[in-house]
Amino acid sequence: QVQLQESGPGLVTPSQTLSLTCTVSGGSFTNAGAYWSWIRQHPGKGLEWIGYIHYTGKTYYNPSLESRITLSLDTSKNQFSLRVPSVTAADTAIYYCARAFEGYYFDFWGHGTPVTVSS
Amino acid sequence: DIQMTQSPSSLSAPVGDRVTITCRASQGISNYLAWYQQKPGKVPKLLIYSASTLQSGVPSRFSASGSGTHFTLTITSLQPEDVATYYCQEFTGVPYTFGQGTKLEIK
Repeated sequence: QVQLQESGPGLVTPSQTLSLTCTVSGGSFTNAGAYWSWIRQHPGKGLEWIGYIHYTGKTYYNPSLESRITLSLDTSKNQFSLRVPSVTAADTAIYYCARAFEGYYFDFWGHGTPVTVSS
Repeated sequence: DIQMTQSPSSLSAPVGDRVTITCRASQGISNYLAWYQQKPGKVPKLLIYSASTLQSGVPSRFSASGSGTHFTLTITSLQPEDVATYYCQEFTGVPYTFGQGTKLEIK
């Protein structure tokens, strides 16, 4: 059973950088069909796909966020990360990491980490 | 980007009722559609993929159908534990988009 766990700060100051990490256990991080994803949910709102990264390092971003975000991974630690510079209040959300099966649908999710952007 | 529109936005039905939620895509997506259930305060859970395939462990009262631009998720006999917001998601290609959600409550 694949398990994912997000980690990172719950509070970020406006204009600073948000960095989140997801640790994967219980499955093959380097499975060719696994695309490691970030999804966020603004308070009381729906789901927004941010992007995903394959173990080869290939990244796919939501064009609406592409200029602002960076995904990276560390296969030695079974971790992948999200970096969002210059955050604003609009980045306040619950951030989920998830596995996209074959890059399609999200079959395993982390518990989600709430991030608030506030001074 | 493909837009996904769900209807209704919310609904309330008694226990035991048959409930249907609709999802429409702004352009044809074949069967590249998934459905998720998000219970209050919980993580989204995959229910259905490829428009009609039930994810392992999902109760058989859930079913789904559709192709192209019109899709439905049906609960044949609504149970109290089905109270949740349901989302559709297309996966034809980047960016993957979700519907706005349908909030389901018990009457």
